[in-house]
Amino acid sequence: NAGVTQTPKFRILKIGQSMTLQCTQDMNHNYMYWYRQDPGMGLKLIYYSVGAGITDKGEVPNGYNVSRSTTEDFPLRLELAAPSQTSVYFCASIIGGGAGGELFFGEGSRLTVL
Amino acid sequence: AQSVTQPDIHITVSEGASLELRCNYSYGATPYLFWYVQSPGQGLQLLLKYFSGDTLVQGIKGFEAEFKRSQSSFNLRKPSVHWSDAAEYFCAVGFYNQGGKLIFGQGTELSVKP
Repeated sequence: NAGVTQTPKFRILKIGQSMTLQCTQDMNHNYMYWYRQDPGMGLKLIYYSVGAGITDKGEVPNGYNVSRSTTEDFPLRLELAAPSQTSVYFCASIIGGGAGGELFFGEGSRLTVL
Repeated sequence: AQSVTQPDIHITVSEGASLELRCNYSYGATPYLFWYVQSPGQGLQLLLKYFSGDTLVQGIKGFEAEFKRSQSSFNLRKPSVHWSDAAEYFCAVGFYNQGGKLIFGQGTELSVKP
């Protein structure tokens, strides 16, 4: 199993551009998450999904959109990129949503908006 | 407000010395508790977790953590630190039936002196 795979690993965007961060997992996990990590702030939840076709907002959803058309894929869309979206983004998944299981993380996508 | 606090942003210990990283949470109920480790440029890896039962839990890489309900704490410990333990450590809490979402502390960066 590859686990959770994120692409790209690095990206530089200009203000106002749009892009999609890709996330795919091959563990047949129902629940998937997008977090952003900023220095000294820990990880903040952007969006999450409890299954194909179902998504919900996390703590910091503004400026982002997600979709979940399959169990495997959970892309994160940035519209009209802003410098405040410069961050490291992590996708994660878990087999069930009752809490208590282990979250599996991707290696992260470092985004810079100039 | 619900929160997870790691009071120490940065800790330096000598190789072979003992380590304790602090974590406090502020919630009405007892949450599920986790410690994750992040090596530079990597995603997060689960060290250990607490759900219920024995309040002293053992994890990977020789780490352990103790849940103290009266202090709302879940401190991470290791008797003898190795240079390879240098990393950032995150405490996190989750709740049953909340979609597996985790709330992370700010992180503690550990440096190890030779």
